[in-house]
Amino acid sequence: GESVGLHLPTLSVQEGDNSIINCAYSNSASDYFIWYKQESGKGPQFIIDIRSNMDKRQGQRVTVLLNKTVKHLSLQIAATQPGDSAVYFCAEGGNQGGKLIFGQGTELSVKP
Amino acid sequence: GAVVSQHPSWVICKSGTSVKIECRSLDFQATTMFWYRQFPKQSLMLMATSNEGSKATYEQGVEKDKFLINHASLTLSTLTVTSAHPEDSSFYICSASGQVGNEQFFGPGTRLTVL
Repeated sequence: GESVGLHLPTLSVQEGDNSIINCAYSNSASDYFIWYKQESGKGPQFIIDIRSNMDKRQGQRVTVLLNKTVKHLSLQIAATQPGDSAVYFCAEGGNQGGKLIFGQGTELSVKP
Repeated sequence: GAVVSQHPSWVICKSGTSVKIECRSLDFQATTMFWYRQFPKQSLMLMATSNEGSKATYEQGVEKDKFLINHASLTLSTLTVTSAHPEDSSFYICSASGQVGNEQFFGPGTRLTVL
C-alpha cells in the first residue's frame, strides 16, 4: 500500500557528524529505490538511487543501503553540513507505469 | 540536462474559480508526466499519471472531473483545478520521465492558495 505521512519525523545532528535516515518500504515487488532531498517550497531533488540487485551504493558524501529481507532502506550522509538541512524522502519504483511511491519523509536539521 | 519547469510558481485564487498549472520538460521529450499533491509536513501523494496523447490515469480517490489533466505534447502537461475550494490549497508538483520506468525529473512545484 501507499505510505502516507501525518507528520514528519525529525532528526537533529551536529555539523560534521554523520546522519542516518531510515525508510521502510511497502511493496516487495519494488525493484528501484530513490532518495530525494526537498528544501522548503521546492520540488524534490534526486540524491541517489539503487536497484534491488544491489545492497549498497555510494555517491559523493552519501551512501544508500538496501535490505530487501526486511524491506528497509537507509541514507547515510557523511560530514553533515548546514546545507543538508531539508526533508528527505525515500521512494520505491519499478511498479506499474513507472509510478513512484513516496515514504513519509524525515526532516533533517543540522546545527552549526 | 533534464530540467522540468512549472508555471506559475504560486497562485492565489477565489473559491469557485479554475486554475491551470503548466508543467514543461525543457530539454527532453517526456512521454510520461506525473502530478503530485503535497500538504504541509506531509509526503508527496501521486494524483495521476499522464501519457502524451492519451487520457490520464488517476489514482484512487482523485476526482478526474475536478483535476483535469492534458498532455497534448511531449514537452507540456497541464493540470486544471476546476471550481477550486480552500481544501484544494496545496503544493502541486509535476515530474517527467523520458520513458516508462526511467528516472523522474521533478518540477519546482506550484503553491496554490484558494481563498
